[in-house]
Amino acid sequence: TQLLEQSPQFLSIQEGENLTVYCNSSSVFSSLQWYRQEPGEGPVLLVTVVTGGEVKKLKRLTFQFGDARKDSSLHITAAQPGDTGLYLCAGAAGNQFYFGTGTSLTVIP
Amino acid sequence: SAVISQKPSRDICQRGTSLTIQCQVDSQVTMMFWYRQQPGQSLTLIATANQGSEATYESGFVIDKFPISRPNLTFSTLTVSNMSPEDSSIYLCSVRGTGASNTEAFFGQGTRLTVV
Repeated sequence: TQLLEQSPQFLSIQEGENLTVYCNSSSVFSSLQWYRQEPGEGPVLLVTVVTGGEVKKLKRLTFQFGDARKDSSLHITAAQPGDTGLYLCAGAAGNQFYFGTGTSLTVIP
Repeated sequence: SAVISQKPSRDICQRGTSLTIQCQVDSQVTMMFWYRQQPGQSLTLIATANQGSEATYESGFVIDKFPISRPNLTFSTLTVSNMSPEDSSIYLCSVRGTGASNTEAFFGQGTRLTVV
């Protein structure tokens, strides 16, 4: 089992605040993905990072892949209520995806 | 990309009964994955369904409790058998993308099961 630990598990912030979610593993992954899941829906891919040290930006979201490809972070700038959801990191190994423990984010208007 | 239709989207079932969840993909895929998820928590892989062979179950999940069918490359079913309240959860089917999307997992919208 390849474990991906996310922190924090729960986060409740005011609209406009910044936040960072972390995803850590003892295993090396060839790629790592971040998903967001809203109630009543399946997870939807936000980004894939492949190269150690890679930084990707998606509007107010910044994703970073650790140099050793074992960890990643998601930073949200000026959070909005629409950012509310469950954030999951996932690593691909073989034919499977290994999902992180999840971070439930609530952005209060 | 892959579009997955999963049904039912939700159900309330009596304990001791069984529920079959269906998953239809708009393209042919080798593997389909079934997950269980408690609301607000991560995904737990139940089994991997391959066409033409028995599903591969993860530790803690057995075929008698969660029989899976995979009659072709676009369809799979998961049955939750002899249900108890502990089976109340969200069940998700998933496939891995192909080609340029092979690092992405695609999901159905999930089935929210409540056992009473």
